[in-house]
Amino acid sequence: AQTVTQSQPEMSVQEAETVTLSCTYDTSENNYYLFWYKQPPSRQMILVIRQEAYKQQNATENRFSVNFQKAAKSFSLKISDSQLGDTAMYFCAFMKAVGNYGQNFVFGPGTRLSVLP
Amino acid sequence: DTGVSQDPRHKITKRGQNVTFRCDPISEHNRLYWYRQTLGQGPEFLTYFQNEAQLEKSRLLSDRFSAERPKGSFSTLEIQRTEQGDSAMYLCASRSYQETQYFGPGTRLLVL
Repeated sequence: AQTVTQSQPEMSVQEAETVTLSCTYDTSENNYYLFWYKQPPSRQMILVIRQEAYKQQNATENRFSVNFQKAAKSFSLKISDSQLGDTAMYFCAFMKAVGNYGQNFVFGPGTRLSVLP
Repeated sequence: DTGVSQDPRHKITKRGQNVTFRCDPISEHNRLYWYRQTLGQGPEFLTYFQNEAQLEKSRLLSDRFSAERPKGSFSTLEIQRTEQGDSAMYLCASRSYQETQYFGPGTRLLVL
């Protein structure tokens, strides 16, 4: 079974600064996908960024980028130029590429990020 | 709006009552998931549909829980004889053959 760990329950960052959220996972699979989802207070979960394990190049989406270290099973999220609207719970998630049924989509416990003015 | 929708958004019920939630996925998505999320935690998988077939059920889904997706479009999640421990946010998500799941706003259940 896959597990996802987020070791930082809460973090804060000043507006316009950069922050990195950590995520590690445990799997014996070689082909899989990793995701970061954002859940603002009282609002629905939305995808921030995703990474295919077979790609060595780190994914980027505007101010969001990841540092994917496959050997270390690490998948951190970097948010540059933090904005007040980035305040949210951030969840790291893992999905097998083959046999990707529900049990194989696993979320971490989340990191609560607060962006301070 | 072509996103995932859920109804109701909030439900308060008394212990022992039955409740039913509805999820309408994105129209072209044939895969549908139900999750339960408690405060401060990540979503936990409950059940998965591909078209109308329920292919997976978590151990979390006790006999009091049942889910359907009769025509491969919308889905319902019913909880019978609710207990206080059922209080949580119930999330629905859908996806196509591609990997990314799209989530609905959730139904927040409070059992008194």
